[in-house]
Amino acid sequence: SQQGEEDPQALSIQEGENATMNCSYKTSINNLQWYRQNSGRGLVHLILIRSNEREKHSGRLRVTLDTSKKSSSLLITASRAADTASYFCVNTGGFKTIFGAGTRLFVKA
Amino acid sequence: EPEVTQTPSHQVTQMGQEVILRCVPISNHLYFYWYRQILGQKVEFLVSFYNNEISEKSEIFDDQFSVERPDGSNFTLKIRSTKLEDSAMYFCASSEFGPSGANVLTFGAGSRLTVL
Repeated sequence: SQQGEEDPQALSIQEGENATMNCSYKTSINNLQWYRQNSGRGLVHLILIRSNEREKHSGRLRVTLDTSKKSSSLLITASRAADTASYFCVNTGGFKTIFGAGTRLFVKA
Repeated sequence: EPEVTQTPSHQVTQMGQEVILRCVPISNHLYFYWYRQILGQKVEFLVSFYNNEISEKSEIFDDQFSVERPDGSNFTLKIRSTKLEDSAMYFCASSEFGPSGANVLTFGAGSRLTVL
């Protein structure tokens, strides 16, 4: 299965704090991607990290990848209320991109 | 920024009726996908489509479902005889590259289907 499994299932923080979400996957990857979904809306691509990369930044997002542990993490720094959403990691090495249950992040203003 | 466009945004239908959900992928994208999300549940993969044929499909995508790219711009999902449990948000997505490349999926806003 190319599904990622996110941890924790839910995370509640204060605005301004950092949020860290973790992902584990089972099969080898070509690249790993993180997506966000605001309630009931379409998923939005956040960042892609390739299997030969260990860390990547995009604005307030920082993604790390450890292929030896088959894990990734997404760090959102200086969180805002607008970051409230569900976050998913996916291994997109096939035609069947499967989304897991995600991490539900709630940022309190 | 290019968008994936889905119509209708909301459709209400009677059980047993046929429904067609339409999607206009981003123009230079070659790979197309349908997902669905039942209220409060995970986003579930239905089908992927490339080069005018289905690449992968899930167990959800049974004989009641079909996909088509009738012209150079539209990508449709047809449900032949809707059931109550087909009520969900249906998302279309497209990507420029396939699985061996950086296949970033761009999603539409979704079509909400309500089956009565």
